[in-house]
Amino acid sequence: GAVVSQHPSRVICKSGTSVKIECRSLDFQATTMFWYRQFPKQSLMLMATSNEGSKATYEQGVEKDKFLINHASLTLSTLTVTSAHPEDSSFYICSAPPRQGAAYGYTFGSGTRLTVV
Amino acid sequence: QKEVEQDPGPLSVPEGAIVSLNCTYSNSAFQYFMWYRQYSRKGPELLMYTYSSGNKEDGRFTAQVDKSSKYISLFIRDSQPSDSATYLCAMTAKAAGNKLTFGGGTRVLVKP
Repeated sequence: GAVVSQHPSRVICKSGTSVKIECRSLDFQATTMFWYRQFPKQSLMLMATSNEGSKATYEQGVEKDKFLINHASLTLSTLTVTSAHPEDSSFYICSAPPRQGAAYGYTFGSGTRLTVV
Repeated sequence: QKEVEQDPGPLSVPEGAIVSLNCTYSNSAFQYFMWYRQYSRKGPELLMYTYSSGNKEDGRFTAQVDKSSKYISLFIRDSQPSDSATYLCAMTAKAAGNKLTFGGGTRVLVKP
């Protein structure tokens, strides 16, 4: 089945620095990647949708300058948290449909736990 | 009111019991319905997906969809302690760009 590899699984960074999270589709081409954040004991909140070769679409209330998304190839999408602050500490997860235009069977990465100190 | 409602639990059952989970939704445009299992600090894992109303079975899992009532269910037979996790229902609509809309998740605890 479709597999999305997400790295790093955990990262601790100092306030003011930037952190990059990578999601790679291993055995399929991910034309679309969804990025979520999840707070403890809460459901996933969609942050943005990235499409290969075009600008990402951000959900209302998500700062596009803080959460930079790049989807330069069919197998790699990245999320960079810029000038991170403690309130950015969260669990970030990516997800992709198994093929272009699919509306089901989405695969998730294993998540990245970001802690900003 | 949220688009997808799901009881947060926790739902505690003894090992071997049937776990019954459900979600209600308000948007009749939803077409595909999925159930995910999420262990603590891990990404969600797809369990099942369904399209039309009716039942779908896969091993110990049975998914039901009733589009007329806007109600979906997941049943887990012969539950095991390893089934202890948070279960998330999710659904998509083409009109919304096939974005997943999640329920809040139900935490399940299977006691040995």
